[in-house]
Amino acid sequence: DAMVIQNPRYQVTQFGKPVTLSCSQTLNHNVMYWYQQKSSQAPKLLFHYYDKDFNNEADTPDNFQSRRPNTSFCFLDIRSPGLGDAAMYLCATSGDRDSQETQYFGPGTRLLVL
Amino acid sequence: GNSVTQMEGPVTLSEEAFLTINCTYTATGYPSLFWYVQYPGEGLQLLLKATKADDKGSNKGFEATYRKETTSFHLEKGSVQVSDSAVYFCALRANFGNEKLTFGTGTRLTIIP
Repeated sequence: DAMVIQNPRYQVTQFGKPVTLSCSQTLNHNVMYWYQQKSSQAPKLLFHYYDKDFNNEADTPDNFQSRRPNTSFCFLDIRSPGLGDAAMYLCATSGDRDSQETQYFGPGTRLLVL
Repeated sequence: GNSVTQMEGPVTLSEEAFLTINCTYTATGYPSLFWYVQYPGEGLQLLLKATKADDKGSNKGFEATYRKETTSFHLEKGSVQVSDSAVYFCALRANFGNEKLTFGTGTRLTIIP
């Protein structure tokens, strides 16, 4: 089945130690998104790629970066994780940026910062 | 700006009860509206959507109708099951240069056998 895959499902890192989360998709979608979801809160968009064009949300900290080497893969890099960055990170894709397009979510990576 | 207001939770119901989770929105233009469901420890799954006024989205016994006059998109199910226990998020996606989903705060639903 076509899907959005995130690895790993659980990631433990140390305070200040860089970490990379991975997302891949078999949907051949143009748009890939990264959301951060803290406990009992709604997901919050960090940034998205429309094809190769990177679009950062205004309030996303500089500590968060992203790479999209090809259509299928997108990475979230946290350069110096703090305790406040512990959260579920959700990757999503959509065929286009039109409002009617559904965003399809992966299962998420839960990040724990020690 | 765009916003979604969702019914406060948590909501606890007995199996086979009728479910309504209220959702209202504020947006310019004609947004698309979505309900997502999140089971414990998992990502979000699309439950249903509606892209224009008076559209009804439906899936797995759940329904929601896009009401532009009341800016609402309430989620309903006639007879809930234990397996429906999850967190439900109402969301909108505006159609004027804003690609992101704007989510409500989520409603945790627990169904008791």
